Amino acid sequence: SAVISQKPSRDICQRGTSLTIQCQVDSQVTMMFWYRQQPGQSLTLIATANQGSEATYESGFVIDKFPISRPNLTFSTLTVSNMSPEDSSIYLCSVRLGYEQYFGPGTRLTVT
Amino acid sequence: SQQGEEDPQALSIQEGENATMNCSYKTSINNLQWYRQNSGRGLVHLILIRSNEREKHSGRLRVTLDTSKKSSSLLITASRAADTASYFCVPSETSYDKVIFGPGTSLSVIP
Repeated sequence: SAVISQKPSRDICQRGTSLTIQCQVDSQVTMMFWYRQQPGQSLTLIATANQGSEATYESGFVIDKFPISRPNLTFSTLTVSNMSPEDSSIYLCSVRLGYEQYFGPGTRLTVT
Repeated sequence: SQQGEEDPQALSIQEGENATMNCSYKTSINNLQWYRQNSGRGLVHLILIRSNEREKHSGRLRVTLDTSKKSSSLLITASRAADTASYFCVPSETSYDKVIFGPGTSLSVIP
């Protein structure tokens, strides 16, 4: 299994600013994912971040808005740039070990 | 990658009753997994059933898989208020599949 921590756990930010979310895993993993969960909705995959390669973004998500770093096998960051109230969501980090996938506790972001 | 479609989208039962939720998918799989998300919290992996298995148990959870019908079911027996959560099924063909979530089943267990 994998234990994942995220920082911050929650934040309230002003429109137009940026927030960087950190994800730390207790073991080395190749495949890491970032998800967004808007209020009352299911989870939506933002991007796949594999160490040693550029992040791969899903349709509707772009690097300029959600830049991702993956400097090593245990850490990743997601930045939400130039935020608007529509970015208010829970952002979750996730890793794959074999066929099983593990999730962090999420970062609850509110944009005012 | 493919997503599962959970049914019903919402389910409300009394504590002590059994809860059954279903999942359908479109193409062949290696395995299917069920996850739970309690309100405001992260996701918890509940159980994985492989394509060559028909039934699997874990505590009060019973999962079935019918690959001919491309469907799975999750049964929670003797439900508790703490089972109130959203439940998601995730079909997977390879270990490199992206996990794509469907709408989930929102279960409410009334004390």
